[in-house]
Amino acid sequence: GENVEQHPSTLSVQEGDSAVIKCTYSDSASNYFPWYKQELGKRPQLIIDIRSNVGEKKDQRIAVTLNKTAKHFSLHITETQPEDSAVYFCAAPPYNQGGKLIFGQGTELSVKP
Amino acid sequence: EPEVTQTPSHQVTQMGQEVILRCVPISNHLYFYWYRQILGQKVEFLVSFYNNEISEKSEIFDDQFSVERPDGSNFTLKIRSTKLEDSAMYFCASQGQGGYTFGSGTRLTVV
Repeated sequence: GENVEQHPSTLSVQEGDSAVIKCTYSDSASNYFPWYKQELGKRPQLIIDIRSNVGEKKDQRIAVTLNKTAKHFSLHITETQPEDSAVYFCAAPPYNQGGKLIFGQGTELSVKP
Repeated sequence: EPEVTQTPSHQVTQMGQEVILRCVPISNHLYFYWYRQILGQKVEFLVSFYNNEISEKSEIFDDQFSVERPDGSNFTLKIRSTKLEDSAMYFCASQGQGGYTFGSGTRLTVV
């Protein structure tokens, strides 16, 4: 089945710096890759996603890149702000298995003012 | 913006008791899910539900778990005889054309 690995587990940056979180997946037929932000005690919130027919997608300070050959995708946050501090999860759905998501282990991002 | 609502927000129960967690998915969504998140860990898939039946379940979803859509709006997760290790945050999600929407979760504490 699908396996999603996420690195690093913790990331600390200074306000204004960039942050990059990386995920690898195992099912080469996976075709949708969302990123979720989860604040303490809250639900996962979708912040950006990418489908396998594109290599990059950007939304203001957030971007996601996808390398299908290497089976990895990354979240890039530029000009980080203290309110970006949260746990970020990548996810991928196993192909043709009804839409369930397999999540990575999470990255706790801390942005220091 | 449509929301997935979950009740209760927090449930404390004695080990061995039955609990029912409730969810109201977004009305025009067709796919429904339950996920579990043990404190400090990743979100784990439990079960998916489509067309009034389970479409897939994980190995976590054993005979102690069941799901139901008793009417056109509610989607419930029942744990028959809770164990300490069932303590976690349980998230309901529904999926439509626009993708996934997670509920705000129920924190289950088994004592």
